[in-house]
Amino acid sequence: DGGITQSPKYLFRKEGQNVTLSCEQNLNHDAMYWYRQDPGQGLRLIYYSQIVNDFQKGDIAEGYSVSREKKESFPLTVTSAQKNPTAFYLCASSIGGTGRITYNEQFFGPGTRLTVL
Amino acid sequence: GQQVMQIPQYQHVQEGEDFTTYCNSSTTLSNIQWYKQRPGGHPVFLIQLVKSGEVKKQKRLTFQFGEAKKNSSLHITATQTTDVGTYFCAGVIGSQGNLIFGKGTKLSVKP
Repeated sequence: DGGITQSPKYLFRKEGQNVTLSCEQNLNHDAMYWYRQDPGQGLRLIYYSQIVNDFQKGDIAEGYSVSREKKESFPLTVTSAQKNPTAFYLCASSIGGTGRITYNEQFFGPGTRLTVL
Repeated sequence: GQQVMQIPQYQHVQEGEDFTTYCNSSTTLSNIQWYKQRPGGHPVFLIQLVKSGEVKKQKRLTFQFGEAKKNSSLHITATQTTDVGTYFCAGVIGSQGNLIFGKGTKLSVKP
């Protein structure tokens, strides 16, 4: 059963703590993305990766970090530097390939709802 | 930064009525994609439009891409309760740019 998994579905953390959100895909996609969704807002791009061991900042990268050590995995760390971390985080992937990501549909995971207390 | 504007933000319709959401950009788009997000769910890809003036249909859904490739619309004929959700457009500016999502139109359908 192919797809994208994100865990956990709900996550609670205290202010000032770093937290890492998991994203795994078995679609053999090259490109992976992290988005943030706030109520009434569209999806805003945090980071993306077109290939293993490479990633680029999106529109709102401040306070976040990522790694792409394996093709299947693209974890996102929300650091204490992120001023307003409470949000719904969505991971996505696409077939990708350098220069081709913009023409491919994106497949989204179920999301992680992070609440910072 | 560059934006893709989407209107209306909310739309409430009676079951059987039609529904349209509009997407606009001040800059020419390379392509535009449409996604649907059910309440509590994640976005699911519906369609991609690439050519100027392109029109595509999926059953009761009709998607259009403007001649100038700066606007797009999604029209649903005779809405059903299963159409409930938020519809997002997402455009690409330039050949190497990322998807820029509109804020979405939240559709509610009264049975």
